[in-house]
Amino acid sequence: EAQVTQNPRYLITVTGKKLTVTCSQNMNHEYMSWYRQDPGLGLRQIYYSMNVEVTDKGDVPEGYKVSRKEKRNFPLILESPSPNQTSLYFCASSLRGLAGGFGELFFGEGSRLTVL
Amino acid sequence: AQTVTQSQPEMSVQEAETVTLSCTYDTSESDYYLFWYKQPPSRQMILVIRQEAYKQQNATENRFSVNFQKAAKSFSLKISDSQLGDAAMYFCAYRSAFTSGTYKYIFGTGTRLKVLA
Repeated sequence: EAQVTQNPRYLITVTGKKLTVTCSQNMNHEYMSWYRQDPGLGLRQIYYSMNVEVTDKGDVPEGYKVSRKEKRNFPLILESPSPNQTSLYFCASSLRGLAGGFGELFFGEGSRLTVL
Repeated sequence: AQTVTQSQPEMSVQEAETVTLSCTYDTSESDYYLFWYKQPPSRQMILVIRQEAYKQQNATENRFSVNFQKAAKSFSLKISDSQLGDAAMYFCAYRSAFTSGTYKYIFGTGTRLKVLA
């Protein structure tokens, strides 16, 4: 089954304790990206990656890191989480280029993160 | 920079009736793509409909259709014969053409749709 898998789905942590949210897709998509969803603000892009070893900042990258060492994986790293990073996080992937067509995003199920 | 605006935080519709959700956007690009995504209480993001900017014909998917007005930069979603399962948060989204070199997706703030039995 084609899917984007995020883990963990729920996490409660404390300020300053490093954490990683994993994201994996099995659709051979070149494009992967991370979003955070906050009430009244919609989804905002954190980082995206066009392909292996190619990443770029979205609109709200502060406090986050990403890496793309393999095509299928795109982990989101919070080196020193703070309460303002409490949010619902989504990973998504899509095809790109001429083969990408519309390039619609395929989303993971979301990860609810709470930083105390 | 591109922006997407959904001016209706919440809307209600009677079951079996028709409702239209508004979306406007701002861009200087001529080639781009527009999407409507649905987020039910399960939180899963589901693609509802998509539109290529260079196509004048409005996209339709069963009970869902769009009114795409490129000059006005408007992209509204019409849901016909509303069903209880349509109750969800709806997000409008913009994506530049890949040829532009910009790969950002811009989302609106969402419209929560309630369907009344």
